[in-house]
Amino acid sequence: EVQLVESGGGLVKPGGSLRLSCAASGFTFTSAWMSWVRQAPGKGLEWVGRIKSKSNGGTTDYAAPVKGRFTVSRDDSKNTLYLQMSSLQSEDTAVYYCSAEYYGSLKYWGQGTLVTVSS
Amino acid sequence: DIVMTQSPDSLAVSLGERATINCQSSQSVLYSSNNKNSLAWYQQKPGQPPKLLIYWASTRESGVPDRFSGSGSGTDFTLTISSLQAEDVAVYSCQQYYSGPYTFGQGTKLEIK
Repeated sequence: EVQLVESGGGLVKPGGSLRLSCAASGFTFTSAWMSWVRQAPGKGLEWVGRIKSKSNGGTTDYAAPVKGRFTVSRDDSKNTLYLQMSSLQSEDTAVYYCSAEYYGSLKYWGQGTLVTVSS
Repeated sequence: DIVMTQSPDSLAVSLGERATINCQSSQSVLYSSNNKNSLAWYQQKPGQPPKLLIYWASTRESGVPDRFSGSGSGTDFTLTISSLQAEDVAVYSCQQYYSGPYTFGQGTKLEIK
């Protein structure tokens, strides 16, 4: 059974940093392209960023609102995906989901972790 | 960036009736190398993560009931629920994965009339 379990969310002050983790199991993580997607309270889905598999170069892509502030990384030895977030703003308040891609569609999703940016 | 626009924003349909949700992209998402449209549909129920329903615009994900179908090509797409069931109440979103950044439609809230 595929499982994606996010952790690391919480309350952070504006300008602060936070690192989210996503522990994966039940599929070949090393081959997977992985994305982070967020959803602000009462709003729609927003793609945040993605990391390709190492065999595809392990490169990353980001949405404009987070580029330069967020970094997606992976540790294939631990089957874990990360999202390092810095210079956090109130607009970054959201539930953050990790997802495993299937040719770009988001096939598997975690339950999400809530990040609240507030003073 | 490719902008995805869904219509309507909300929809109320009677049980057993057909529900139709539209999604338009600001540019074609037809991938010429495989002649497939890079368009997915998701269902999200309150308090749950999204669930992939349809990918490549018309391929149903494993386990998804056959009352759900996707159609369209290029820039115009449709999700159809042929006979609405109570458990289909949810928000439905389209997503393009033709080019980065991936983008979603704003979502359509489907309710029972």
